[in-house]
Amino acid sequence: DGGITQSPKYLFRKEGQNVTLSCEQNLNHDAMYWYRQDPGQGLRLIYYSQIVNDFQKGDIAEGYSVSREKKESFPLTVTSAQKNPTAFYLCASSVSAGPQHFGDGTRLSIL
Amino acid sequence: GIQVEQSPPDLILQEGANSTLRCNFSDSVNNLQWFHQNPWGQLINLFYIPSGTKQNGRLSATTVATERYSLLYISSSQTTDSGVYFCAVDRGSTLGRLYFGRGTQLTVWP
Repeated sequence: DGGITQSPKYLFRKEGQNVTLSCEQNLNHDAMYWYRQDPGQGLRLIYYSQIVNDFQKGDIAEGYSVSREKKESFPLTVTSAQKNPTAFYLCASSVSAGPQHFGDGTRLSIL
Repeated sequence: GIQVEQSPPDLILQEGANSTLRCNFSDSVNNLQWFHQNPWGQLINLFYIPSGTKQNGRLSATTVATERYSLLYISSSQTTDSGVYFCAVDRGSTLGRLYFGRGTQLTVWP
């Protein structure tokens, strides 16, 4: 079945550690997105990518990094510079300017 | 960026009741999506509706782009409708990126 797969479902980070969240899609979508959701809040955009090897910062990119080496994959690294990383992270994809479809998310917590 | 405001923030209903959720946005938009986030966090597409009216079973949505609002109607609500409903807009100038409202938390009691 076509869809968006995020892994892991749950992730724990130690102080000073970088962690990488995986997002893979087999929908042949050009565009991919990373959002962060805090309790009781809407989603905020971290990074997005319209095509392979190109990406743009969203509203809250500080402390995060991404890569887009393949059309199907858009991993997000939460670096040690992100001082408040505890949140629910959602990945999405779309055809250009089409409706976005979301993965099931990764919950990141601090140990 | 564009402001997206949703109302009411919380809604509690008895099963079988009808409800209307509202989304106002501060600037012209290229597109608008409604999502349902279930208690497990999954975000489900409900409607992709830049203008006009669409219906899907017990749910329907209307967007009046010239007046910068959209409405989501839920009829004969069921307990499985519980969750958070988000409205998100795409301005078109930076193709595809969505701006989300803070959502309406809906609780349906049996």
